[in-house]
Amino acid sequence: GAGVSQSPRYKVAKRGQDVALRCDPISGHVSLFWYQQALGQGPEFLTYFQNEAQLDKSGLPSDRFFAERPEGSVSTLKIQRTQQEDSAVYLCASSLPRRGGRETQYFGPGTRLLVL
Amino acid sequence: GNSVTQMEGPVTLSEEAFLTINCTYTATGYPSLFWYVQYPGEGLQLLLKATKADDKGSNKGFEATYRKETTSFHLEKGSVQVSDSAVYFCALKGAQKLVFGQGTRLTINP
Repeated sequence: GAGVSQSPRYKVAKRGQDVALRCDPISGHVSLFWYQQALGQGPEFLTYFQNEAQLDKSGLPSDRFFAERPEGSVSTLKIQRTQQEDSAVYLCASSLPRRGGRETQYFGPGTRLLVL
Repeated sequence: GNSVTQMEGPVTLSEEAFLTINCTYTATGYPSLFWYVQYPGEGLQLLLKATKADDKGSNKGFEATYRKETTSFHLEKGSVQVSDSAVYFCALKGAQKLVFGQGTRLTINP
């Protein structure tokens, strides 16, 4: 079946501009995660949804970052007033819950954001 | 908090060489452990996983054993191929989120 898809794949923004990044999870996957991957680093957790509920947003770096998943499927990560330090690859992952927390997260191809 | 430390790269080997990429972790409780791989121009793909102590994950000739006593999950392959060139990430999962190491870039020369 189809995997996790993300759009756009590449985004160039001017500093101060707002951007919106979209994630389509695997159909039926209840859990959805956003990660930020800086150049040459491992991904870092931003936020987590179970269905439409945002259960953990502890990784969002500032109040300029906002994520939503209103119908429990597609999710949007919005960054307001972008700064150069926001330049990174933004990864989305989805999973089905399993007993004991042993589920596997499946990742999309990412959106590469460059803020000039 | 939870953390993962990976062997620093880059690592360069010749084809058919033996590969080890070290990974150690710090965690509360009993996390699941993962190796993800990122091929050039592609997204993160799950390579293998282990969910409890002494479990061995394996896939595509790669193996890693969950060692609770040494808090390690080292990745090994007996004979690497040029197509194994990629960035490898060790990760752990406690409750929900994944915590990743910094990644190890592997290059295999023919």
